[in-house]
Amino acid sequence: DGGITQSPKYLFRKEGQNVTLSCEQNLNHDAMYWYRQDPGQGLRLIYYSQIVNDFQKGDIAEGYSVSREKKESFPLTVTSAQKNPTAFYLCASSIVSGGFNEQFFGPGTRLTVL
Amino acid sequence: KQEVTQIPAALSVPEGENLVLNCSFTDSAIYNLQWFRQDPGKGLTSLLLIQSSQREQTSGRLNASLDKSSGRSTLYIAASQPGDSATYLCAGANDYKLSFGAGTTVTVRA
Repeated sequence: DGGITQSPKYLFRKEGQNVTLSCEQNLNHDAMYWYRQDPGQGLRLIYYSQIVNDFQKGDIAEGYSVSREKKESFPLTVTSAQKNPTAFYLCASSIVSGGFNEQFFGPGTRLTVL
Repeated sequence: KQEVTQIPAALSVPEGENLVLNCSFTDSAIYNLQWFRQDPGKGLTSLLLIQSSQREQTSGRLNASLDKSSGRSTLYIAASQPGDSATYLCAGANDYKLSFGAGTTVTVRA
């Protein structure tokens, strides 16, 4: 089955810890995205990547880092510098072709700070 | 910066009634507008994508319209069913980025 997988489904972090959220896709999409969702708010873009070894900051990149070493993978690290990391994190992917294309989403990871 | 608004935040209807969900955006220079469904605690499922050159898209009981001049999109769901209960989000695309509304949570009463 083609799709996007995210792991873990639930993640708990202690104060001062860095944690890494996994995102993998087998859709052969060039572009991948990370969003954060808070209750009652729309999704906000953290980082995106249109090609391997290149990525750009989104609207709320502070306290987060990413890497794109493989086309299929786009892990997100939530660092201790992120002051309010408790949220639902969603990964997405799309093709890149002559403009903006349809984004497909993974099932999400819920991160809770203890 | 693109701002997307969805009103109302919540909606409850009896089964069989047609649903009308509204989405407004501030920047008419969008590439496309996408409608998603989200069930509690789950990811987003893409429902319809309307390109900027199109006026509407249809899929089964769903129909979405786009009016760039007025900055509005509407999602119609015909003959609603309890299984349609979910949060519906719209998102406008500019420069490879999606800007999302906060969503409308729909409850269809049996």
